[in-house]
Amino acid sequence: ETGVTQTPRHLVMGMTNKKSLKCEQHLGHNAMYWYKQSAKKPLELMFVYNFKEQTENNSVPSRFSPECPNSSHLFLHLHTLQPEDSALYLCASSQDLGQGDNYGYTFGSGTRLTVV
Amino acid sequence: AQKITQTQPGMFVQEKEAVTLDCTYDTSDQSYGLFWYKQPSSGEMIFLIYQGSYDEQNATEGRYSLNFQKARKSANLVISASQLGDSAMYFCAMREGLGGSYIPTFGRGTSLIVHP
Repeated sequence: ETGVTQTPRHLVMGMTNKKSLKCEQHLGHNAMYWYKQSAKKPLELMFVYNFKEQTENNSVPSRFSPECPNSSHLFLHLHTLQPEDSALYLCASSQDLGQGDNYGYTFGSGTRLTVV
Repeated sequence: AQKITQTQPGMFVQEKEAVTLDCTYDTSDQSYGLFWYKQPSSGEMIFLIYQGSYDEQNATEGRYSLNFQKARKSANLVISASQLGDSAMYFCAMREGLGGSYIPTFGRGTSLIVHP
């Protein structure tokens, strides 16, 4: 059990569906991140939140919509996705932005998303 | 241009032997940090070890050590006395300092298989 919990672990959705991914951490961290991991590609940073404010949007299509209601919770709302969006979506947190040094960034186990 | 390069897509090692996973990086910053993560088949990214650019000594954490050669811009991970549970994907990552965004970027990873 890590300090970052992601639900669901697996998700299959149609291209017209709307679903949400949830990330929760109770580590007292202030920065939270969404990453996308596709097969044979490096991890791609999608969004960064610091103290609930979005600080990075890495040219992510609008069909992905993040939400950070508080420092402990991060959501990724999905709608009208494409099959190429199928990937492992990882959430991570760190004490503060960039302050993941000696202890690294803490990752969740990810949500394996399949778009059909 | 890739900031993190991991040239070994796959590595095999006999149980109880040591193995070196290669990582080279590219940055013009003087202040940066280097990380290694392990990702088992469960998907979770597990932080292993961190090396700061100003650290004079190579980082060590149990069976993991980081062979940091600043002039060559390499940060190889050495796993001593390999165990079957070390079979996983291994990712090298870099966080750039003052000139960067403080967000780590990742390499493509190396798949390590430990044989009994």
